[in-house]
Amino acid sequence: KNEVEQSPQNLTAQEGEFITINCSYSVGISALHWLQQHPGGGIVSLFMLSSGKKKHGRLIATINIQEKHSSLHITASHPRDSAVYICAVDHGNEKLTFGTGTRLTIIP
Amino acid sequence: NAGVTQTPKFQVLKTGQSMTLQCAQDMNHEYMSWYRQDPGMGLRLIHYSVGAGITDQGEVPNGYNVSRSTTEDFPLRLLSAAPSQTSVYFCASSYGDLSIGQYFGPGTRLTVT
Repeated sequence: KNEVEQSPQNLTAQEGEFITINCSYSVGISALHWLQQHPGGGIVSLFMLSSGKKKHGRLIATINIQEKHSSLHITASHPRDSAVYICAVDHGNEKLTFGTGTRLTIIP
Repeated sequence: NAGVTQTPKFQVLKTGQSMTLQCAQDMNHEYMSWYRQDPGMGLRLIHYSVGAGITDQGEVPNGYNVSRSTTEDFPLRLLSAAPSQTSVYFCASSYGDLSIGQYFGPGTRLTVT
């Protein structure tokens, strides 16, 4: 069993839909990261959180430390949100273990 | 600021050759890391550094060496390239203060034949 599990692996939705991507992990962590990998391959850090909730524009990330679970939500999804979304757990000193990613496709 | 830069963007090596992947950042970040990304496996940590002169192994360090003589640079050396090292390599850096995530370079696509 992988230390970091993401679901779903692939997600296709219509423009405007509310999107949820889930991440579960099996060990104690100091923080959790959400990353976006563009179709061209570039990787951007979206959120780093150790408790509660963070919001940036249409993106919301939440974490439940007790349940070892985090979610990434996208409101009013748009085709430009199409990308691979990656969850990573931080063991301290930013030593990261990554999930295999969720490929999101938003259809106009 | 240029952010995190990596060179080269693409490289083809023959088995047994050695080379160095360059990574530099101009944000005065203390933390730097090297990852490889393979299809279906996600990113994996190769080596990381928490400051100049300090490096440590990640999940998949075999066949790679690093050094951190300056805050800005964190080169990754392949000692004797093998086909199993065919991958996309990303360098990343951060302040390490648990408030801001990592900044990633554009990646180097390496093929070993």
